[in-house]
Amino acid sequence: LAKTTQPISMDSYEGQEVNITCSHNNIATNDYITWYQQFPSQGPRFIIQGYKTKVTNEVASLFIPADRKSSTLSLPRVSLSDTAVYYCLVGDPYNFNKFYFGSGTKLNVKP
Amino acid sequence: DTAVSQTPKYLVTQMGNDKSIKCEQNLGHDTMYWYKQDSKKFLKIMFSYNNKELIINETVPNRFSPKSPDKAHLNLHINSLELGDSAVYFCASSKRDHYEQYFGPGTRLTVT
Repeated sequence: LAKTTQPISMDSYEGQEVNITCSHNNIATNDYITWYQQFPSQGPRFIIQGYKTKVTNEVASLFIPADRKSSTLSLPRVSLSDTAVYYCLVGDPYNFNKFYFGSGTKLNVKP
Repeated sequence: DTAVSQTPKYLVTQMGNDKSIKCEQNLGHDTMYWYKQDSKKFLKIMFSYNNKELIINETVPNRFSPKSPDKAHLNLHINSLELGDSAVYFCASSKRDHYEQYFGPGTRLTVT
């Protein structure tokens, strides 16, 4: 299992770019990296997924270095509504192997 | 239309009781999951079902048993409830390439 490590919490201000890093030193060849967002009293919501280099969608960007031992979720110009817990998940989406959620990073966006 | 729904939203019960949580998805997904989120917000996968076959079974007590009557439903039965079972339980579903999972709203189980 590719265990993941994330910072417990981060603070930011509205309008700033936020980068949250996840470490996954023993990631396997077939593993993908996925990020989820969770608001209080709600289920997690998919944000972005990638395998290597950079992936961008309308919500975020995901940067994955060549060795794939870490990944960085980048949220551009955060707002108060981005205050949530962000989870990094590493696993193989094409085989029914076990996958592992990180402990999550609590992002607190201040006005 | 709710994509993934769970019932009940809250469940308060006493130790030793048996309870069930229901989950339904209307996304046409092949795979459904149950997760447990404890008070420290750790998300732990408990079970996964693909086309009515159990494909992931974490080291959970056998007091927990998933039941899937069809592809759209995955219910969780818990026997002889213990204090440590108190948590939020999430149901989720995905297509076969399961990196994008859709989660339900959660069921907060409190065992007294």
